[in-house]
Amino acid sequence: QVQLQESGPGLVKPSETVSLTCTVSGQLINEGYFWGWIRQPPGMGLEWIVSMHYTGFAYYNPSLRSRVTMSIDTPTRQFFLNLTAVTAADTAVYFCARQWEPGRFDIWGQGSQVIVS
Amino acid sequence: QSALTQPASVSGSPGQSITISCTGSSSDVGNSDSVSWYQQHPATAPKLILYDVNKRPSGISDRFSGSKSANTASLTISGLQAGDEAHYYCCSSATGNTRNLFGPGTEVTVV
Repeated sequence: QVQLQESGPGLVKPSETVSLTCTVSGQLINEGYFWGWIRQPPGMGLEWIVSMHYTGFAYYNPSLRSRVTMSIDTPTRQFFLNLTAVTAADTAVYFCARQWEPGRFDIWGQGSQVIVS
Repeated sequence: QSALTQPASVSGSPGQSITISCTGSSSDVGNSDSVSWYQQHPATAPKLILYDVNKRPSGISDRFSGSKSANTASLTISGLQAGDEAHYYCCSSATGNTRNLFGPGTEVTVV
């Protein structure tokens, strides 16, 4: 069965860059899906960040576009999120997910807590 | 700030039916068949319960159903159970499938 697992630094200082990794198991990453990142600040709702196809085609949340980079490494079955110039407002649980089609995230990782302080 | 609106909370008694609305615009819900719903229990990842407005993934109870009219999508939970207590989020594709929008979430309480 397909599983996703996030990993990250946990604690990041303001103005620095946070880098997160999502490792996919149970399937190849180049099987036609999009892969995405979604975050959830403490006590708040979900915010979509970015989605990318293994070919490199990506679309971004316009409010975060200038600070976000996403990439995919097919051989290692990993994809990555870099978020630059972080502030306290970026404190959140960051989820990676498989996107079957627009709006449809069918498999999620357990989440990686990022605290900016 | 989400472009989709949901009621902050909805409550019901065991066995009752409740409906959660998700209102957007002609740029998203109104012109999208890609509306999905997620259930999230505390400290867990969201779980897809409906997609394409009214389709259920394998293993999801038929007590969950969806519909859409104009710019508003709806999730109905019938036969409410204690385990249905959770937050529910709608999600719609938007702007020609170049964005994903989540609603602010609705807390469901079984009283």
